[in-house]
This record gives sequence, structure tokens and C-alpha cells, in this order.
Amino acid sequence: DADVTQTPRNRITKTGKRIMLECSQTKGHDRMYWYRQDPGLGLRLIYYSFDVKDINKGEISDGYSVSRQAQAKFSLSLESAIPNQTALYFCATSDHRDVTYNEQFFGPGTRLTVL
Amino acid sequence: GNSVTQMEGPVTLSEEAFLTINCTYTATGYPSLFWYVQYPGEGLQLLLKATKADDKGSNKGFEATYRKETTSFHLEKGSVQVSDSAVYFCALSDQGNNDMRFGAGTRLTVKP
Repeated sequence: DADVTQTPRNRITKTGKRIMLECSQTKGHDRMYWYRQDPGLGLRLIYYSFDVKDINKGEISDGYSVSRQAQAKFSLSLESAIPNQTALYFCATSDHRDVTYNEQFFGPGTRLTVL
Repeated sequence: GNSVTQMEGPVTLSEEAFLTINCTYTATGYPSLFWYVQYPGEGLQLLLKATKADDKGSNKGFEATYRKETTSFHLEKGSVQVSDSAVYFCALSDQGNNDMRFGAGTRLTVKP
């Protein structure tokens, strides 16, 4: 069973629509992240959360919002989707006790297309 | 700020060829270094990691050595297989603040 799951796996939507991507994890980690992947740009951090009451902006937060509903759930919202938000979105988790490596564990990704 | 630069792809090799994917980094402090692999249609999986100078990370025949003097973490494999075809990402994490930065990724295709 996957430790980090994302729903939906694929989504096509229209410009101006509100859309939510969801992430759940069974790893028991306290830290969660949202990234987007674009060809040639690698992964860029959108938002991250170190615990349920902690939300932080990443490198490219404009046009996005997040909600940490529980330790295991972290959702990403696009309030009014635009075509340049078409990308592959990844959720990741890490454990604050991993002070040596700070390794992150990734979900399978959500492919979002905004028409 | 912290950043990672890795070799642009795509890279195409024949089976059993030697692989090198270059990665250099810029960071303050002493980051941890990672190579992640992304197989088609999947998320990123950790391939190997290193936390301090001269550490060698290894897994599945892949190796990378943390070189502080050259700020590099090049990925190598002596004999690639078709099943190694994937996108490889170099990444660094600034210990203590969870700030992970990724390179742009290098697509590897191995032909039989």
C-alpha cells in the first residue's frame, strides 16, 4: 500500500474553475509539502507545513492556497485556475526527527491540465 | 540562496554502458545531498543520499560521492540496464530548515 497518496491522479479543468488536490499519508510524518514539476525546471516548492497549525509559503505560492486538515492530510487549492498552472503536482512528507538526512517521501503525483 | 545544477539531458546509452550524470551545488552551511529517480508515470523515489564530505551514497549499482572541494555529487553506474531508463534528479537539503532544492532533472534512456 502506498504511504503517500494523492487524489485525483489526473484532472482536466477549465480556466477560472476552483480545484482542490488532496494528499494523505500513513507514514506518521509531521511535515508535508506541495511541489509542482514543469519540464526543464525540476520541482519547485509551493507550500509546506511543519505541523497542523503551521503553513508556510514556498518559492511559487502565488495563485495557490493550502489547508492542513489533520496531521495526515494536506490539500492544495487553485482558487481560479489558469493555463500556466498546467503541471504535474507532487505531495511529499518528512519527519522532523530525521535531522541527519531530512529525507522527503513523495506521492505518485497529480497531472493537472487547465484549458 | 541554495541551488542545484545538473547535466542537461536527454542522455541515451546502450545497455551495459557507463553512466555519469553531473551535479553541482551552491549552498551555505553543510547540506545533505540526494539523488532521486522518477520512473515513467510515478513519483520520485530516493535513490541514494549523503550527508557530509567524502560520504559515498550507493544503491542498485549507482554511486555518488559528496565532494565538498568541488561542490559536486555526480551520479555514476558502471553498467546501465534498460530498466534504469528514468528521470534522475539531484537535490540538496539544508539541514535544519527543510529547504530542499532540486535540479532540473536528467532523462536517461537505455537502449538494448
